[in-house]
Amino acid sequence: GESVGLHLPTLSVQEGDNSIINCAYSNSASDYFIWYKQESGKGPQFIIDIRSNMDKRQGQRVTVLLNKTVKHLSLQIAATQPGDSAVYFCAERLANAGGTSYGKLTFGQGTILTVHP
Amino acid sequence: SAVISQKPSRDICQRGTSLTIQCQVDSQVTMMFWYRQQPGQSLTLIATANQGSEATYESGFVIDKFPISRPNLTFSTLTVSNMSPEDSSIYLCSVGTLGVGYFGPGTRLLVL
Repeated sequence: GESVGLHLPTLSVQEGDNSIINCAYSNSASDYFIWYKQESGKGPQFIIDIRSNMDKRQGQRVTVLLNKTVKHLSLQIAATQPGDSAVYFCAERLANAGGTSYGKLTFGQGTILTVHP
Repeated sequence: SAVISQKPSRDICQRGTSLTIQCQVDSQVTMMFWYRQQPGQSLTLIATANQGSEATYESGFVIDKFPISRPNLTFSTLTVSNMSPEDSSIYLCSVGTLGVGYFGPGTRLLVL
């Protein structure tokens, strides 16, 4: 499949290392944030989410950190594997976004993660 | 999570023609969303499609260019009209469940 990340920031890591992907979001009124993984030729896949009343949430091998003061979101992937290679997007949802809050998301720029064996 | 399928998965079209993209969801959902992902870029919301009402378009997108149908709670179509090479993108259908947006596999469109 084609790459959707030709113009996106890149992060290269060795297998087994921890990865940190950063995202600056735009709206201080956003109340919900999601990280997506997009593999070549596929649609975005949900990884983990966090609400604005939290500053950290952990999943399996992934942790999302939220710093509302500086409007910054990060995704940490522990023991990165070659299968983690993909484009990663953060997305934000405005609180009470005109009644269409479910699924109406604003996406960040995206980061290409490449994991070398 | 919702299972979303799209047709066609990809197409190559001539400028000036139109293409209708179909989105099917395996469960009934109130709102469906259409996104565009231009080459090398992030996703941009085109419009929100509610069953029984007209679609709501985001700034920069108009109904004449991207007409949308939503005949029932599991199906929607997006038409890309009078296409130009600038319309070459991936078009993605999405539904929201408990605040999480789930995406279809996308339709990869190349306009020559």
